[in-house]
Formats: sequence, structure tokens, C-alpha cells
Amino acid sequence: DTEVTQTPKHLVMGMTNKKSLKCEQHMGHRAMYWYKQKAKKPPELMFVYSYEKLSINESVPSRFSPECPNSSLLNLHLHALQPEDSALYLCASSQDPASNQPQHFGDGTRLSIL
Amino acid sequence: RKEVEQDPGPFNVPEGATVAFNCTYSNSASQSFFWYRQDCRKEPKLLMSVYSSGNEDGRFTAQLNRASQYISLLIRDSKLSDSATYLCAVNNNAGNMLTFGGGTRLMVKP
Repeated sequence: DTEVTQTPKHLVMGMTNKKSLKCEQHMGHRAMYWYKQKAKKPPELMFVYSYEKLSINESVPSRFSPECPNSSLLNLHLHALQPEDSALYLCASSQDPASNQPQHFGDGTRLSIL
Repeated sequence: RKEVEQDPGPFNVPEGATVAFNCTYSNSASQSFFWYRQDCRKEPKLLMSVYSSGNEDGRFTAQLNRASQYISLLIRDSKLSDSATYLCAVNNNAGNMLTFGGGTRLMVKP
């Protein structure tokens, strides 16, 4: 069982909808990440939060808006998405952003844009 | 050239076989290396961190060759349950950014 919990597991939304993906970890990790993974491709980094501050944005379109309310939670707000945004969205966490500790992944939200 | 490259496979091997995967990386400043396993429609799960001295965990052995800039994963006595995609990941130490290889698919047959 993963120690990084993501909700919902599946999400279908229209291009005009607004929805949010949620991620939670209680391992005391201080770095959290959002990745996007398309079928038969590796995960691609979207955002990095270090100590609840956004430290890396990999040129992600503004229709994706991350938020870190506290050290255990990470949200991804979605608005006006495009069909090509359909993918598996993975949250991950690691102990310390400055260290070389491995990242642990949640089981993802499978997103479909109609 | 991609930052992290893997042979996509698939590697089709019989149960009990030994199989090895390589992963090359282009950034010589990379600091840490990992192997993840990903089952179909599931999340990547950490299999092993890869250390300079090499490390072993049961049937799995990981090696790092900094001079040639590659990491390897050796699986001995393959089981049916080892069938999955194996992703290597490289941390370039700039904010703990992981770059993944494209993954190598392993299919272990009875």
C-alpha cells in the first residue's frame, strides 16, 4: 500500500469544468511533486514544492494551478483543460528536497477530458 | 540525445532466467540514481536506490558506472510476478528533480 494517497482515483471532466486533484502524505516529507504520465511514456515532472513553497514549475500551462495548503497536502487545481491533458497524474513526496532521497509515488488520478 | 535512455524491450524471458537492463544518462553531474517498477495502469514503485558501490536486495542487484554514465539492474531467478516495466530515474540534484528513462518492459513466461 502506498503511503501517498491521491483522490479521486478517476476523474472525467469537460473542457469548461473546474476540478481539483488532492494528494496527502503523513511521512513528514518536506518535498512534494506533481507528475503527468501519458500511456507508454515515463512520468514527466510538472511542479516541485519544497517546504510548502513552489520551487520548480516545468513550464506548465496556467490551466494547471498547484497549491500546498500545509506540509501534508498538495492540490492540483484544473480549469479549462484540453483533451491532450488526459493522462495519469501522479503525486510524489520525498524526505528532503535538498537530499538525494528517493521519491515515493501515490497511485495516481486517471484524468479524462471530454 | 535524451537525458536518460533505456532499451524499451520487451525482454521476453523464461521463469528462472537472469536478465539485465542498462540505463544511460547524459548529465555527468547527476548525483543519485534509482530503479522503479511500474505495473500496467499502476504507479511507479521504488525498487532500489543505486549506490556507487553497487547494492543487492535479494534477487536484484543494481550497479552504477560513473565513468561510462550508466546504471544497471540484474534480476536473477526471474519470477512471473517480475513482469512489469522497469524505469530508471536520475536525480540531477537541482531541486531533487527526477528524470526518468522511457522504461524497459519485462515479460517473464512460464
